Amino acid sequence: QKEVEQNSGPLSVPEGAIASLNCTYSDRGSQSFFWYRQYSGKSPELIMFIYSNGDKEDGRFTAQLNKASQYVSLLIRDSQPSDSATYLCAAPTGRRALTFGSGTRLQVQP
Amino acid sequence: GAVVSQHPSRVICKSGTSVKIECRSLDFQATTMFWYRQFPKQSLMLMATSNEGSKATYEQGVEKDKFLINHASLTLSTLTVTSAHPEDSSFYICSARDGTSGEETQYFGPGTRLLVL
Repeated sequence: QKEVEQNSGPLSVPEGAIASLNCTYSDRGSQSFFWYRQYSGKSPELIMFIYSNGDKEDGRFTAQLNKASQYVSLLIRDSQPSDSATYLCAAPTGRRALTFGSGTRLQVQP
Repeated sequence: GAVVSQHPSRVICKSGTSVKIECRSLDFQATTMFWYRQFPKQSLMLMATSNEGSKATYEQGVEKDKFLINHASLTLSTLTVTSAHPEDSSFYICSARDGTSGEETQYFGPGTRLLVL
């Protein structure tokens, strides 16, 4: 079983809609989770991180963490075509490196 | 946010040559840096963890004699691909963790695209 799993997509949403990206993890000891966005041909850029159960909002982005169910999600409100990218979920491993999911490709249709 | 730079951004070399890639943290001290590789349409794969002043820790399947990592200072780590071959062509990305913040957040460099002919 992969440590961090994501649906590869593509997830297609119309402009202005809410995009919901999900991620599950296998290590119950994981304490922090990160969402990165990667445009094609570019390196990942940090969107936000979350440590505590519940929601964390930052602008149009909301991260949700449910440790009991071992899933973390990212909601993007008012999706824009510029949000079209691959979104990577990540959690630290025992050596403090990040283990990445395979990423979900998001397409926002104008 | 913290800034990490990489140089060069793109390199083309002949098979058998060595290529050095630099990763620098510009506005923070990075006690730990990480080297990833990404092939087209695939996810990031961790190659090694680089700790300042000590030997790097390599992931399973990554040849330490082929991918030499040096982390001589708190702001610089280098990856040297020795005797590069076409199958080493990939997107190499470093990341750095701010050792003073106590956080696990990693900041990525812009990546280096390597093409071995």
